[in-house]
Amino acid sequence: ILNVEQSPQSLHVQEGDSTNFTCSFPSSNFYALHWYRWETAKSPEALFVMTLNGDEKKKGRISATLNTKEGYSYLYIKGSQPEDSATYLCAFKGNQGGKLIFGQGTELSVKP
Amino acid sequence: DVKVTQSSRYLVKRTGEKVFLECVQDMDHENMFWYRQDPGLGLRLIYFSYDVKMKEKGDIPEGYSVSREKKERFSLILESASTNQTSMYLCASSYGFSRANQPQHFGDGTRLSIL
Repeated sequence: ILNVEQSPQSLHVQEGDSTNFTCSFPSSNFYALHWYRWETAKSPEALFVMTLNGDEKKKGRISATLNTKEGYSYLYIKGSQPEDSATYLCAFKGNQGGKLIFGQGTELSVKP
Repeated sequence: DVKVTQSSRYLVKRTGEKVFLECVQDMDHENMFWYRQDPGLGLRLIYFSYDVKMKEKGDIPEGYSVSREKKERFSLILESASTNQTSMYLCASSYGFSRANQPQHFGDGTRLSIL
């Protein structure tokens, strides 16, 4: 059974704080690692799809890194804002098929 | 913009009823997926489909079936609803193998309660 773990489960920060969370995934048969943001009452929205070891991607104040050899990815948010409050999901895609295996998510709450 | 539309945001049904959840996408995506989301468990894959009339079991297919008669539509069927199927159901779609690095696009979800 393939396991994708995210930590922490939840995070409460103040506006302006920078934060980061971790996604651990199997280091074998790797194809891609996805990050999604899921705000309450909305649909999950894709942030990044990462495929190469050492990849770094950035979208505004959010960035992500990928280490496929050791099986982890970090998501960073610089200067968190209340609108960053959401659940952040990572998902592993192995080279055996098109389906994603999701972690349980990190719930971020940013207080003004 | 990709649009994935689920037929209902909220649905209340009774134990033993046959329940249909519908999903339509407008981007000509080959792949379509049904997930359920429960607190602390993340998104779990129920069924997926790579093409019209094709379906594959996900991680938790028991008690569910699916139908994909047209490329844009993927239906999830609860044959005889039970209370443990109370959950948030999400539909998603994506391109096929030729563009496998593209993300999945999700609908807004259906919160289903079985009484």
